[in-house]
Formats: sequence, structure tokens, C-alpha cells
Amino acid sequence: GQQLNQSPQSMFIQEGEDVSMNCTSSSIFNTWLWYKQDPGEGPVLLIALYKAGELTSNGRLTAQFGITRKDSFLNISASIPSDVGIYFCAELAVGAQKLVFGQGTRLTINP
Amino acid sequence: EAGVVQSPRYKIIEKKQPVAFWCNPISGHNTLYWYRQNLGQGPELLIRYENEEAVDDSQLPKDRFSAERLKGVDSTLKIQPAELGDSAVYLCASSHDRVVGAFFGQGTRLTVV
Repeated sequence: GQQLNQSPQSMFIQEGEDVSMNCTSSSIFNTWLWYKQDPGEGPVLLIALYKAGELTSNGRLTAQFGITRKDSFLNISASIPSDVGIYFCAELAVGAQKLVFGQGTRLTINP
Repeated sequence: EAGVVQSPRYKIIEKKQPVAFWCNPISGHNTLYWYRQNLGQGPELLIRYENEEAVDDSQLPKDRFSAERLKGVDSTLKIQPAELGDSAVYLCASSHDRVVGAFFGQGTRLTVV
């Protein structure tokens, strides 16, 4: 079974608001990934994090690798309608090239 | 550059029937994955190939599921016979040693009735 817990499971916000979601793990991993999945599509990689404490941005998205190496958060600033979708965190098991996904955070934006 | 291509996009079959999914990974990607995604859940790994070798198939229900990756490129995933609980989206992904993360296809949505 999956070892990652994402929260919240769903979010309903107004366009222009900032968004924050997080992911916690029962184990220590060396790489955190954040993916976004649009309806009817496969997940698309947004951000990859490699070191504890690392803070990385990709446009309006910012993600951080927690100091304990057991958690990560993703922030979206000034949300727009195309941000709608499901956001997944994923861990890359060391030496295994195996991605383990969280259950996702579904983001809905009211215009 | 073309992405991961999967076919068909949708498939509806009756239970106990066989079904097969096809995947063409990104050119040069030596690692290929099949994931299953149930409604409201994240993808779960079924099998991972390194070139033509299945290196992780611990989550593949081997009594009814089979997969192959001939010549280390295209791959097929088969279910025989299908059960109602197999209804899900089946995602194929590929990656390269030097790139972190995997690139996903659009998936095949399977409905077993």
C-alpha cells in the first residue's frame, strides 16, 4: 500500500487565492516529486526536490523538501483556472527508480 | 519529441474477457513502468522494466495479469480474464537513468461490466 499522506484531500478556492498542500511520509526518502494530473491525462512532473531543506520554484509554484526528509509542501500563488486538477506528491525510492504516489489533492477554483 | 503513447484510450469489456494495452515509451528511455490508478487514488506500480527485463513485478497479480517488453522498447499489458475490480486507468510511463522522475502517457481507461 501507499506510504504517503497528502492533505488536504480536496480544496475549493477563489481565483487569485494562494494554495498550500503538503505530503508526509512514514519513511525517509531522498527525492520528492510533485506531479499534476489534468482530467483524462497522465500526471505531469512539476517540481523535483533532492535535498533536505531545498526550496524550489517553477513559476507560481514553490515546493520545499522538509528538514526531517519525511515531508514536503507545495504552494501555488495567485491561482488561475488552469491550476485546476489533482496534485500528487511522489517519492523516489533510493536506488530503485520506483515512484510511490500519495493519494492526491484535488484543487477546484471558482472564477 | 513525442511523449509516451498509449492505446487504446478507452476500453469497455465484459467480465471474464481478455484485454490488452499497448505502450510506446519516449525514444531512448530504458525504464518503462505500468501503473494502475483507481478512482480517487494515486497511481500504483504494477511492473517496472529496465530495458527488456522486468525488475520489479511484485505488485502484478500474476494469476491474471501479464506483461512483456519485446526488444526493450514497446510494451503490452494483458489481463485475462478481466474482473469487475480491474476497472481503472492503466498508465504507462518511461524514464531515463539521467533524468529524475517519469513521463506518463495519457492512460487507458478500462471499464469492466
